[in-house]
Amino acid sequence: GQQLNQSPQSMFIQEGEDVSMNCTSSSIFNTWLWYKQDPGEGPVLLIALYKAGELTSNGRLTAQFGITRKDSFLNISASIPSDVGIYFCAGGYNNNDMRFGAGTRLTVKP
Amino acid sequence: GAGVSQSPSNKVTEKGKDVELRCDPISGHTALYWYRQSLGQGLEFLIYFQGNSAPDKSGLPSDRFSAERTGGSVSTLTIQRTQQEDSAVYLCASSFLRQGGEQFFGPGTRLTVL
Repeated sequence: GQQLNQSPQSMFIQEGEDVSMNCTSSSIFNTWLWYKQDPGEGPVLLIALYKAGELTSNGRLTAQFGITRKDSFLNISASIPSDVGIYFCAGGYNNNDMRFGAGTRLTVKP
Repeated sequence: GAGVSQSPSNKVTEKGKDVELRCDPISGHTALYWYRQSLGQGLEFLIYFQGNSAPDKSGLPSDRFSAERTGGSVSTLTIQRTQQEDSAVYLCASSFLRQGGEQFFGPGTRLTVL
């Protein structure tokens, strides 16, 4: 099925640093979702976006729905060790299933 | 239940055996999805159910894989004649709506084929 381009594949950062990751698609979406997966667990929804240009925050996390409707980014500010995990974006449009990016693996060094 | 549950949490089987993986979605969720995740990799879409019907089976990797859903609730993913390359985590998710519906995931079943 259709895949999204998610980057970077992995990130190694120091505790306290900010993080940015993004997803792009060749198709227009009207929904973008961001998930986090802890080791041994299923992905958990972090932020949902439904409108082009929408900027939504959840604690230290901020996500935006790109104006072109073909991209989205997720920022994490002041990272902490428990931010470690795999972050997935997912995009969808009306009758189409949500499609997932390949994930960004985040490592935070204390 | 409060969330999506899957059983078993871990399954070790011998090559050539059949396995059944179960998913209990969130009550009231009409859409149900199965994904496969190889170690450290992304989510590979397998099959989607709307109610008891599966309009999209495009992701099933071979005819050894099948799934059914009964009563608009529980789903079973069956893998026949398992192969070592079937080893992965199998994740189930459910959502209230298909269209842009937020999917809620279960903890997954880790399958190891020896």
